[in-house]
Amino acid sequence: ILNVEQSPQSLHVQEGDSTNFTCSFPSSNFYALHWYRWETAKSPEALFVMTLNGDEKKKGRISATLNTKEGYSYLYIKGSQPEDSATYLCAFEETSGSRLTFGEGTQLTVNP
Amino acid sequence: EAQVTQNPRYLITVTGKKLTVTCSQNMNHEYMSWYRQDPGLGLRQIYYSMNVEVTDKGDVPEGYKVSRKEKRNFPLILESPSPNQTSLYFCASSSPTSGSYNEQFFGPGTRLTVL
Repeated sequence: ILNVEQSPQSLHVQEGDSTNFTCSFPSSNFYALHWYRWETAKSPEALFVMTLNGDEKKKGRISATLNTKEGYSYLYIKGSQPEDSATYLCAFEETSGSRLTFGEGTQLTVNP
Repeated sequence: EAQVTQNPRYLITVTGKKLTVTCSQNMNHEYMSWYRQDPGLGLRQIYYSMNVEVTDKGDVPEGYKVSRKEKRNFPLILESPSPNQTSLYFCASSSPTSGSYNEQFFGPGTRLTVL
């Protein structure tokens, strides 16, 4: 079983704060790293698929970076808003089409 | 609208009473998976299927069965449910062969309680 770890497990920030969290994964046999956003009472939705070392992707105030050599990815949220409150999941894809191994997620709460 | 549907969304049942949770997708995806989500454990894959009549065990397959007779459907069967199968279940589909990597499209979830 592959080891995918996310930290912190939970995070409380104030509206307007910028924040970031980490996903670590095996640095060998890398194919892709996925980020999902999961709001309470909804289903997880894809944010980014990251494939190349040094990749940086952005969607609005959310961005992510990837370091495949050392096996980590960061997710950043700039100027957090209450609607950003969700659990953020990363998932490791080892080879093309292989099943995803998910981390336990980081639960973000943004207080107004 | 492209979607993954699951039924039922909520189910309370008793130990030992066989049940089936249906999953259907309308995106012509080859791959389908079942996950369970438990507090502190994240999403764990139960079974997955890479195409019709092709299924394989995930991380936590004990106590579950699946079938893939048609491309669009992937039902999850609990032959004799037990309380430790109380969980939130997600079905997902994907199409890694189309160049989109294995990005998962999730259904709305089924919350199962086994008494």
